[in-house]
Amino acid sequence: GQQLNQSPQSMFIQEGEDVSMNCTSSSIFNTWLWYKQDPGEGPVLLIALYKAGELTSNGRLTAQFGITRKDSFLNISASIPSDVGIYFCAGRQGGSEKLVFGKGTKLTVNP
Amino acid sequence: NAGVTQTPKFQVLKTGQSMTLQCAQDMNHEYMSWYRQDPGMGLRLIHYSVGAGITDQGEVPNGYNVSRSTTEDFPLRLLSAAPSQTSVYFCASSYSSPGVLGGYTFGSGTRLTVV
Repeated sequence: GQQLNQSPQSMFIQEGEDVSMNCTSSSIFNTWLWYKQDPGEGPVLLIALYKAGELTSNGRLTAQFGITRKDSFLNISASIPSDVGIYFCAGRQGGSEKLVFGKGTKLTVNP
Repeated sequence: NAGVTQTPKFQVLKTGQSMTLQCAQDMNHEYMSWYRQDPGMGLRLIHYSVGAGITDQGEVPNGYNVSRSTTEDFPLRLLSAAPSQTSVYFCASSYSSPGVLGGYTFGSGTRLTVV
């Protein structure tokens, strides 16, 4: 099946630092989504991107739809302890009814 | 508004047993899916449905069956449980094709252990 390569796998940062993570593919996607999963819970949608080059913010989170349509980036500014969790990217290709997920980036924030 | 409800939250099965994981949504969503989450593997699609009476296979369908007799319910059946099916299972739903207008809404998961 289609693979989304998400990096890094894990990050350990200090409170207040900025965070960047990305997701890449060898194929073109029409939609990129970013989810966050808290421990013991299901993923929750953070940001949805629909157009190449699109830059969208949700509070301290900013995500971008890559120009080539083969990648997407998520930035978190001024991290806080509640940012801890696993962040997933997901993509949808044209004509597909399926969402493909990356393997996730596990974020740990030290107070 | 309950959203996506999964039952049970935890389950232990013996190898060879069968069981059904329940999933119900009260948002009148047409699209529903089942994913499994394993450490380091992310979320992998098992089966999905684009409406009542219509189901299709995802990436890892072997050993699982689904049916969609109503818009609200999308049960996942394990026919003969194997240790390799130990995982966390998530049900998800969306009003339109996921990624067209937003993404899936996920349930809180069922943690299954097969011994």
